[in-house]
Amino acid sequence: DAGITQSPRYKITETGRQVTLMCHQTWSHSYMFWYRQDLGHGLRLIYYSAAADITDKGEVPDGYVVSRSKTENFPLTLESATRSQTSVYFCASTEGDREHSPLHFGNGTRLTVT
Amino acid sequence: AQSVTQPDIHITVSEGASLELRCNYSYGATPYLFWYVQSPGQGLQLLLKYFSGDTLVQGIKGFEAEFKRSQSSFNLRKPSVHWSDAAEYFCAVGARGNTGKLIFGQGTTLQVKP
Repeated sequence: DAGITQSPRYKITETGRQVTLMCHQTWSHSYMFWYRQDLGHGLRLIYYSAAADITDKGEVPDGYVVSRSKTENFPLTLESATRSQTSVYFCASTEGDREHSPLHFGNGTRLTVT
Repeated sequence: AQSVTQPDIHITVSEGASLELRCNYSYGATPYLFWYVQSPGQGLQLLLKYFSGDTLVQGIKGFEAEFKRSQSSFNLRKPSVHWSDAAEYFCAVGARGNTGKLIFGQGTTLQVKP
């Protein structure tokens, strides 16, 4: 089915470990985003990408790395996980043909760092 | 800087009653405004958006919202709430020239009493 798929849905990792969250979309949307959701903060933008090989920082990029070698994939890597990165992570995409094009979200990855 | 405030963290209404969820934003120019809904364990789904023109916008599931520039508000309304409307609701603002880079409010959790 078309859409955005995030994997894994749940992940528990230890402090200091590297972990990668995957995001795959089947629409060929140009723009892709990573948001984190924390109680009391709503969603905050971590990184975004306007096209393959073009990425840029969002509001809270520290401790995260992204890449986008293919249009359909946008993995997010925590290089050395910390407890403050315990959160729910959402990947989103939009075609970007209009500035107000809505975001389409995946179902999220719940990450716990122990 | 842009910001979004949802003053009500939690709201409880009876099924069949009317609903209004408040959203106030801070932005120097006319923003793009969105309301998203999140059911438990799911990603966010767009309810409606405002980008120009008529300040009263209609969305899915019987929701509507009114953009009031003088009050910097974009409140969400529904005349008669159904039990299936129980969810978390997020208001978000986007700036022109920044496709998909949204600032989200903290969210309002809606509980519906039978």
